[in-house]
Amino acid sequence: IAGITQAPTSQILAAGRRMTLRCTQDMRHNAMYWYRQDLGLGLRLIHYSNTAGTTGKGEVPDGYSVSRANTDDFPLTLASAVPSQTSVYFCASSSSGGTTDTQYFGPGTRLTVL
Amino acid sequence: RKEVEQDPGPFNVPEGATVAFNCTYSNSASQSFFWYRQDCRKEPKLLMSVYSSGNEDGRFTAQLNRASQYISLLIRDSKLSDSATYLCVVTKATNDYKLSFGAGTTVTVRA
Repeated sequence: IAGITQAPTSQILAAGRRMTLRCTQDMRHNAMYWYRQDLGLGLRLIHYSNTAGTTGKGEVPDGYSVSRANTDDFPLTLASAVPSQTSVYFCASSSSGGTTDTQYFGPGTRLTVL
Repeated sequence: RKEVEQDPGPFNVPEGATVAFNCTYSNSASQSFFWYRQDCRKEPKLLMSVYSSGNEDGRFTAQLNRASQYISLLIRDSKLSDSATYLCVVTKATNDYKLSFGAGTTVTVRA
């Protein structure tokens, strides 16, 4: 079934640990995104990638890094997790990143940093 | 001021009722507008785009008011399955595909 997968589904992590959230899409979309969603706030863009080999910073990039080695995968890494990074993380993709393109979201990763 | 603001609700309505709510945006240069739906603990999914002339999709009607910088969503003949959080989404500016999300309006339809 075409779509976006994320792993893990949920994770409890000790502060200071390194963590990589995985995201894979099989729709051959050029653009991919990472968002975090916190209670009472809208989804906030962490990082994005217009196409394989390029990445950019979103609204809240501090403490996170991404890479885009190929079209399908867009991992998000927390180098040294802190409790404020406790959130639900959604990966999304769109065909070309245009303003009218629909963004398709993965099922999310629930991360708790203690 | 937040880029996109929504009344969080919740709007509790009986089945068959009509419910409507708005969303305001701060950037007058915003170009594209959407409503996404998010079920509890699930990912957001596109409900509909919002066009300048307004548009309908079945029981859902979306309107855009550029002068007052708000968009609206109206749901007619509410169904239990319409219970969800509705996210207002705006692109920030021309040639900027990055989306700004509202925090969402929760609608609960009761039997």
